Amino acid sequence: AQKVTQAQTEISVVEKEDVTLDCVYETRDTTYYLFWYKQPPSGELVFLIRRNSFDEQNEISGRYSWNFQKSTSSFNFTITASQVVDSAVYFCALSDTGTASKLTFGTGTRLQVTL
Amino acid sequence: GAGVSQTPSNKVTEKGKYVELRCDPISGHTALYWYRQSLGQGPEFLIYFQGTGAADDSGLPNDRFFAVRPEGSVSTLKIQRTERGDSAVYLCASSLSEQETQYFGPGTRLLVL
Repeated sequence: AQKVTQAQTEISVVEKEDVTLDCVYETRDTTYYLFWYKQPPSGELVFLIRRNSFDEQNEISGRYSWNFQKSTSSFNFTITASQVVDSAVYFCALSDTGTASKLTFGTGTRLQVTL
Repeated sequence: GAGVSQTPSNKVTEKGKYVELRCDPISGHTALYWYRQSLGQGPEFLIYFQGTGAADDSGLPNDRFFAVRPEGSVSTLKIQRTERGDSAVYLCASSLSEQETQYFGPGTRLLVL
């Protein structure tokens, strides 16, 4: 069965600090997709990134970067120079061929960025 | 363009009552998903539709829960004989097709008293 673990329940940083959110996953499939979503206080899940299991290149988008390492089954997310607007709950999720399209989510990491 | 919309945004009902939650997907998206999110947890899959048919309903907790998508667009999640444990945020998502990125609506917050 597939599983996503986000061991960090809550992280608090001061603005401009860098922060890394950890995600570890389990799946028996060789073909799968990994996702990160952001859930701000308004409650709506906002899509950030989708990565397939064959593409281990790291990705950078502005202040956001993602480190995918198949060897350790991890897909970590780093925010550089954090801002107050980054405060939200961040979810890592997995879908594989066994689960077709349904996403398995982790329990989320609450990020609090203060001035 | 317009995102996924869900109505109502909030629903308060009494134990034992029947409720319907509506989801309007992004235009042109053939796949539609329902998830349930309890406080402090990640969303949990309930059911997904490809077109009009339920492709996977393995996440529905019991037979009090049912969902339809009669014309392949709008979907309704129906809960009979509601229980206090059904209180949660019900999220709907849609994607262009299966295995494509899912985009979520704002959710319906259901409170069963």
